Amino acid sequence: KQEVTQIPAALSVPEGENLVLNCSFTDSAIYNLQWFRQDPGKGLTSLLLIQSSQREQTSGRLNASLDKSSGRSTLYIAASQPGDSATYLCAVDASNTGKLIFGQGTTLQVKP
Amino acid sequence: DAGITQSPRHKVTETGTPVTLRCHQTENHRYMYWYRQDPGHGLRLIHYSYGVKDTDKGEVSDGYSVSRSKTEDFLLTLESATSSQTSVYFCAISEYGGSYQPQHFGDGTRLSIL
Repeated sequence: KQEVTQIPAALSVPEGENLVLNCSFTDSAIYNLQWFRQDPGKGLTSLLLIQSSQREQTSGRLNASLDKSSGRSTLYIAASQPGDSATYLCAVDASNTGKLIFGQGTTLQVKP
Repeated sequence: DAGITQSPRHKVTETGTPVTLRCHQTENHRYMYWYRQDPGHGLRLIHYSYGVKDTDKGEVSDGYSVSRSKTEDFLLTLESATSSQTSVYFCAISEYGGSYQPQHFGDGTRLSIL
């Protein structure tokens, strides 16, 4: 059974730091991995989608990498800002139907 | 932002009553999903739909049913609500459902069953 784990559960950093969020999954047979952001009381916002054949994706200050063989993905946030404070979730699609399996998220606080 | 509307946004009801949550989309996307989010469990898939009248079960489907009679609407029904179904429910949509398309989420329905 596919399981997705995110460590740490919470992270607090000063503004301006570069940081890395980790996601691991137990079965390398995935079609894609997605990173989402969730603000309190809100739904999820898609940040980056990495297909199984890709190694990384970039959007602005965000860069996500994927290593299928080791079952790991990282989300790199450059020059963090207070507005980046949110919960970040990763999810894998093991069926190519969009049936996502989520990690429990990392709650990030960026202090001014 | 993707045009996804969930209703109601908040609901409080009693154990044993039927409850229906609605997800409405204006994107004409083929795939629609219902997830629940609980502390300690994260988001888990309940049911999904890959077309009108085409649905399938997810990881936690017991106690839930779904219907999709039109492309734009996906209904989630709790036939006889239980306290364990207290949760935040999210609807998501995807144009093709495959590996190239991200999912877009609604703002959720907070359901409390007393």
